[in-house]
Amino acid sequence: ETGVTQTPRHLVMGMTNKKSLKCEQHLGHNAMYWYKQSAKKPLELMFVYSLEERVENNSVPSRFSPECPNSSHLFLHLHTLQPEDSALYLCASSHGSGNTIYFGEGSWLTVV
Amino acid sequence: RKEVEQDPGPFNVPEGATVAFNCTYSNSASQSFFWYRQDCRKEPKLLMSVYSSGNEDGRFTAQLNRASQYISLLIRDSKLSDSATYLCVVNMRGFGSARQLTFGSGTQLTVLP
Repeated sequence: ETGVTQTPRHLVMGMTNKKSLKCEQHLGHNAMYWYKQSAKKPLELMFVYSLEERVENNSVPSRFSPECPNSSHLFLHLHTLQPEDSALYLCASSHGSGNTIYFGEGSWLTVV
Repeated sequence: RKEVEQDPGPFNVPEGATVAFNCTYSNSASQSFFWYRQDCRKEPKLLMSVYSSGNEDGRFTAQLNRASQYISLLIRDSKLSDSATYLCVVNMRGFGSARQLTFGSGTQLTVLP
């Protein structure tokens, strides 16, 4: 059983839809992350939350909107996405002072 | 120059072979280094951390050369189950800051029967 769970695992959405990805970590960590993985590209860090405060936003378009209500939960709200946003979205968590991050199984997103 | 650069691969090796992957990083201030493994259509998982003195975990040996900004992973006696993509990961912000883990593009390994 993974310590970081993501839902949904698969999502197909139209360009005008609004949907959300959800992540929950059961590891007692205090930092959470969203990464994007596209085909043939390295993992791209999108957002970092530390102690529920956003500390990193790597120039991500505003059609992606993160939310971190507490240290165990992280959301990624999606609206008016483009087909090129189709990718694997990975949530991860770590202990603030540690260096190892643990990933969820990912949410496969297809924008049609 | 890419921040973390890996052998492009793919590596196709027979079972029992020894295979080595290399990785270079651009930020000389980097303090933490890792190898992650990613199976097809799965999430990356930590394989091992890389320490300055080099470290071994069973059939896997990781080494770090700070002067050359170079990391390596050696796999001995390859198994079919070792087939995966291996990701070199560097903490670009320095020790204690997990915020800037930078991933290489990965090297694909296929172990053949």
